[in-house]
Amino acid sequence: EPEVTQTPSHQVTQMGQEVILRCVPISNHLYFYWYRQILGQKVEFLVSFYNNEISEKSEIFDDQFSVERPDGSNFTLKIRSTKLEDSAMYFCASKIQGTEAFFGQGTRLTVV
Amino acid sequence: GIQVEQSPPDLILQEGANSTLRCNFSDSVNNLQWFHQNPWGQLINLFYIPSGTKQNGRLSATTVATERYSLLYISSSQTTDSGVYFCAVGGYSTLTFGKGTMLLVSP
Repeated sequence: EPEVTQTPSHQVTQMGQEVILRCVPISNHLYFYWYRQILGQKVEFLVSFYNNEISEKSEIFDDQFSVERPDGSNFTLKIRSTKLEDSAMYFCASKIQGTEAFFGQGTRLTVV
Repeated sequence: GIQVEQSPPDLILQEGANSTLRCNFSDSVNNLQWFHQNPWGQLINLFYIPSGTKQNGRLSATTVATERYSLLYISSSQTTDSGVYFCAVGGYSTLTFGKGTMLLVSP
């Protein structure tokens, strides 16, 4: 069964460092998303991406965040200068229009 | 934005018991999904159910879109059902999640 794949599963980084979280969406999906979940809290929307551009973003997705689809299969989330409060589980999701979203297994980011 | 309220926030069951989880939302939606978050943090798709009723084994779900609520039924619960159950709603694109129901099934 096709699935969304995220790497790494866990990343520890120093405050102020840049991190790139990677995702391989399901191959025929056209809509891509990043969500995050701070420990013990609900899942929050960050950004959606369609047709090689951001289609929607939340207030959380400020200038330190960027997304890219560098090739036909990968979808990345970059955090330029990490802060302690960026520590969270980051989920990538993909979908076809009008259907359910499928989520990856998540990347647990720990900023120290 | 749309508000999503899930109840109860916590639930403790004995193995074999049945339960009903509720999701209320504040506006009309085109997408409603139920997820189970397992102890490793993975979000497992349970149902895509913007309206109607679906069943998958011991789980079933009903969404009454006109009344803006959805119910998730778990029958004959097992210890592996433990975890957090999230309802997420939205239009054709992004999802807004509720705070979840934390379920603990004890042997």
